[in-house]
This record gives sequence, structure tokens and C-alpha cells, in this order.
Amino acid sequence: EADIYQTPRYLVIGTGKKITLECSQTMGHDKMYWYQQDPGMELHLIHYSYGVNSTEKGDLSSESTVSRIRTEHFPLTLESARPSHTSQYLCASSEKGQGNTIYFGEGSWLTVV
Amino acid sequence: KNQVEQSPQSLIILEGKNCTLQCNYTVSPFSNLRWYKQDTGRGPVSLTIMTFSENTKSNGRYTATLDADTKQSSLHITASQLSDSASYICVVSDRGSTLGRLYFGRGTQLTVWP
Repeated sequence: EADIYQTPRYLVIGTGKKITLECSQTMGHDKMYWYQQDPGMELHLIHYSYGVNSTEKGDLSSESTVSRIRTEHFPLTLESARPSHTSQYLCASSEKGQGNTIYFGEGSWLTVV
Repeated sequence: KNQVEQSPQSLIILEGKNCTLQCNYTVSPFSNLRWYKQDTGRGPVSLTIMTFSENTKSNGRYTATLDADTKQSSLHITASQLSDSASYICVVSDRGSTLGRLYFGRGTQLTVWP
């Protein structure tokens, strides 16, 4: 059972609003990730982190930002939401090294109207 | 170009029947291949991880195979249950970077009917 939690699960907000999606894991994993997934489509990496104070942009250009002040916490922030940001956002974590299981949260469904 | 292609896109089977899902990839250099199950509206859950030297791995009624020479993998589900209805995603990792970049397929949507 994965101990990685995302809030909120569902959110509808107006254009121009600032939103922070929360992600926490209690497994002590160094690596954390944010993916974006539209219905029926593949996951796209938008941010990742190797550890505290480490953040990198992923493959998909995103107007969001992330921070990693604590090992267990990896929030994603949109300063000014737009309808094009409507999507599912998945947080994940894994231990260091390749070939380790990546554990996903339940996802945050964001709708911008 | 590194890609992961899955087939079929969708599949409907009757409860109790077996099925096989396919995954072809062009990712190089290859590190590992993973199969995930994603229920509607939920996050993906890991089923199997296989490295270059492994050609089969089981997890209960799920059995994954890997042919690294032909760059193909399959996921076989035995005695399907209604709870198997989900999207099954093939993910291939390269070893060209420290991160081990992941390439995701679009998934096969499996529906199991009673």
C-alpha cells in the first residue's frame, strides 16, 4: 500500500486564481515527481525532485512551480490558473536509483472555468 | 524517437476469461519495463518491473513477459475478474540519465463483463 497522499482530490476554480496542489509521502523517498494526465492519454512529467532543495522541470512545459523544503512534501503551485490547465495531476515518489517501484498518489482533478 | 505503443487500445472480455495485452517499444538504451494498473479516476498501481535479464514475472493472476531482442512485452491476465476492469499502462525506462527517463504508453482500457 502506497503512503502518498494528494489534496484536493477534485477542485473547480475560476480563471486567474492561484492554486496549490498538495502532495505528501511518508515512505522517506528522496525522489518525487509530478505528472499531468489528460483522459485517455499518457502521463507527462512536469516536475521532479531528487531531494530537499532540488527541483527540476520535466518534459512537458508547464506554467506551474514546485518546492521541496521537506523530504515528505512536494507541493505544486499554479499562480494564475487558465482553462488549459484543466487536467489530472498525479504526484509520485520512489527510492533513489533506477528500477525502483514508483508509487503514485490518487491524483488531483483540476477544472478551471 | 523513443516511443511506447500499446495494443489493443480497448478490450472487452467476459468474466473468467483470459486476455493478453501487448506493448512494443523503441526506447534505447533500455533499463526496465513496468506494467501499471490504473482504475478510473485513481493513480496507477505497480504490477511488475522487469529488467533486461528477466523475461517473465508474475504477480498473482498477472504475468508479464519481456523480449528485449524484439522490444516487446505482454501482460497476460488469467481468470479475469470484474475488478480487473481498468487501464493497463506499459512504461519503459531508459538508462541514459540519472533520472532514468520514463516513457509511458497510452494504456489498454480493459472492461470485464459479468
